[in-house]
Amino acid sequence: DTEVTQTPKHLVMGMTNKKSLKCEQHMGHRAMYWYKQKAKKPPELMFVYSYEKLSINESVPSRFSPECPNSSLLNLHLHALQPEDSALYLCASSQDQWRGLVGEQYFGPGTRLTVT
Amino acid sequence: SQQGEEDPQALSIQEGENATMNCSYKTSINNLQWYRQNSGRGLVHLILIRSNEREKHSGRLRVTLDTSKKSSSLLITASRAADTASYFCATDSGSKTGANNLFFGTGTRLTVIP
Repeated sequence: DTEVTQTPKHLVMGMTNKKSLKCEQHMGHRAMYWYKQKAKKPPELMFVYSYEKLSINESVPSRFSPECPNSSLLNLHLHALQPEDSALYLCASSQDQWRGLVGEQYFGPGTRLTVT
Repeated sequence: SQQGEEDPQALSIQEGENATMNCSYKTSINNLQWYRQNSGRGLVHLILIRSNEREKHSGRLRVTLDTSKKSSSLLITASRAADTASYFCATDSGSKTGANNLFFGTGTRLTVIP
């Protein structure tokens, strides 16, 4: 199974709502990532988890809160978002590089988020 | 910013022609990767070239890397309508955490006309 799944596919939320995005992989990967992608722009790295520990937070506002409950799951909790946060949110995973394994990332299909 | 630059921004060719995209980056790298993205969906990994490699082939794809110029190119030969997508280069500078942090280039939008 080389699939990364993300739910929901689409999400519309108001600025006062609280919602969560979910990501799951069963490839035994120990690194998982959240990216944000605006239209016609490249993905921008938000968070990196390595062995269920947050290792990178690319200066993301606190209204985005990541969580890694176990090695297969990654959540992104959303609260008090702004309209400019509307974007495609991509999850990815990769094998760890401690053993010199290649660094390709496997991406999910993304969640299209609209903040109204 | 560690983001790379790609050119052209958009490329339109006839089916059967070759397509070449270029990527320039700013920092030293462990490897450089190319990804394809169809119309606002997830990215698909195409090919990875390590910093000590100069050229790599995979099917109709040919990637070159010039670390002295901090640049790479992706050649797609005998293009097909199904190759229509956005193509991104991504640099991996290595990390101490076991994860590989990728920084994506600006992308090239390829349209292959049947």
